[in-house]
Amino acid sequence: SYALTQPPSVSVSPGQTASISCSGDNLGDKYASWYQQKPGQSPVLVIYQHNKRPSGIPERFSGSNSGNTATLTISGTQALDEADYYCQTWDSNTVLFGGGTKLTVL
Amino acid sequence: QLQLQESGPGLLKPSETLSLTCSVSGGSISTSGFYWGWIRQPPGRGLEWIGSIFNSGITNFSPSLKSRLTMSVDTSKNRLSLKLNSVTAADTAVYRCARHDNFYDTSGYYSNWFDPWGQGTLVIVSS
Repeated sequence: SYALTQPPSVSVSPGQTASISCSGDNLGDKYASWYQQKPGQSPVLVIYQHNKRPSGIPERFSGSNSGNTATLTISGTQALDEADYYCQTWDSNTVLFGGGTKLTVL
Repeated sequence: QLQLQESGPGLLKPSETLSLTCSVSGGSISTSGFYWGWIRQPPGRGLEWIGSIFNSGITNFSPSLKSRLTMSVDTSKNRLSLKLNSVTAADTAVYRCARHDNFYDTSGYYSNWFDPWGQGTLVIVSS
């Protein structure tokens, strides 16, 4: 069955660029969405349809998708971006989530 | 502003049936084009899609839960319902509902995403 793989953790220094990957077979042929989840809170959509941002999501969040990998990029990372991030796609009439990546802003 | 609020029993015994409700405010559940989804998250773990339902009652379920799952929509009360039978400790999780938006591009590729989400309700299955 189809699966999405994310690194368990990513670290970044404040002000630097964070990249979080999400891998799956031919994921580039599918649309990917990304969610941010802070401790004790519900997930928040940050990217959909590869690279669209919902209203209220800062421009420093961007997405790309090619080959087998979708990538969430956070430019000028801030301390408040520290959270778990999940990718999501659709395959064979099933919604799939990646296992999540904990972003630490050191 | 669309808001979703889950409600449920909190604590269940193994083999019982989990019944949850998601009340939608700030918008109509009958709005054309949207599915409404349920997603759960075991404590300290990742997200798992349970299933989604269209306002017409058309459903789409996770293959791993399909045999135990029922979903419904009450458009008169603007709410969704989920029933999961024969629960075990593995069903212990925070259960959330969310609007499940979707889109077909000009090439026929399908995109879907969840926004917004409810705050969730913790369900513990324990004897």
